[in-house]
Amino acid sequence: KAGVTQTPRYLIKTRGQQVTLSCSPISGHRSVSWYQQTPGQGLQFLFEYFSETQRNKGNFPGRFSGRQFSNSRSEMNVSTLELGDSALYLCASSLGQDQPQHFGDGTRLSIL
Amino acid sequence: QKEVEQDPGPLSVPEGAIVSLNCTYSNSAFQYFMWYRQYSRKGPELLMYTYSSGNKEDGRFTAQVDKSSKYISLFIRDSQPSDSATYLCAMSGWDSNYQLIWGAGTKLIIKP
Repeated sequence: KAGVTQTPRYLIKTRGQQVTLSCSPISGHRSVSWYQQTPGQGLQFLFEYFSETQRNKGNFPGRFSGRQFSNSRSEMNVSTLELGDSALYLCASSLGQDQPQHFGDGTRLSIL
Repeated sequence: QKEVEQDPGPLSVPEGAIVSLNCTYSNSAFQYFMWYRQYSRKGPELLMYTYSSGNKEDGRFTAQVDKSSKYISLFIRDSQPSDSATYLCAMSGWDSNYQLIWGAGTKLIIKP
């Protein structure tokens, strides 16, 4: 069974640009969550989607947005990039809220 | 005070030793407890998933949950250099809408 796939693996952008990250969940998983991981802050929750609806949202500014498609694939968008947005962005999928989450290997975003 | 406390380490032990990793938490509503292992440049990998109190064993790994003390542990027997990684605890419950709350992660080093 294929795992969670995130693309691209690495991305370099400059301040002010925008970026879109993609996540394909494990087949059959309808819940997709996004996290930001940095050495200083650890894993921080961005948002969760289930059946194309945002079900949970973390404490991030509106520059961070996401969506989920009917096939459960999800995208995350960050607009007006800032230097502090440099991080590893992780996507996780699960069967439901009380089920364990399985992670992809992330997209490493560097802002110059 | 953070909801989940985890010593960041590093914890360095000789090969073959029994490793004990721990997290404490403050929210008595947590019901689901997880341990993840994360290698450098990879996403977190689910090791153990436990509901409520008790022990769970999987090969060389044993997870313990003590809800009365708000304390969870992961034991690794016959530790190997390949176990060197960062270990993250995570937990969730109904009052956080099942959003995972993470520990900071403990960096484990197994010396050959």
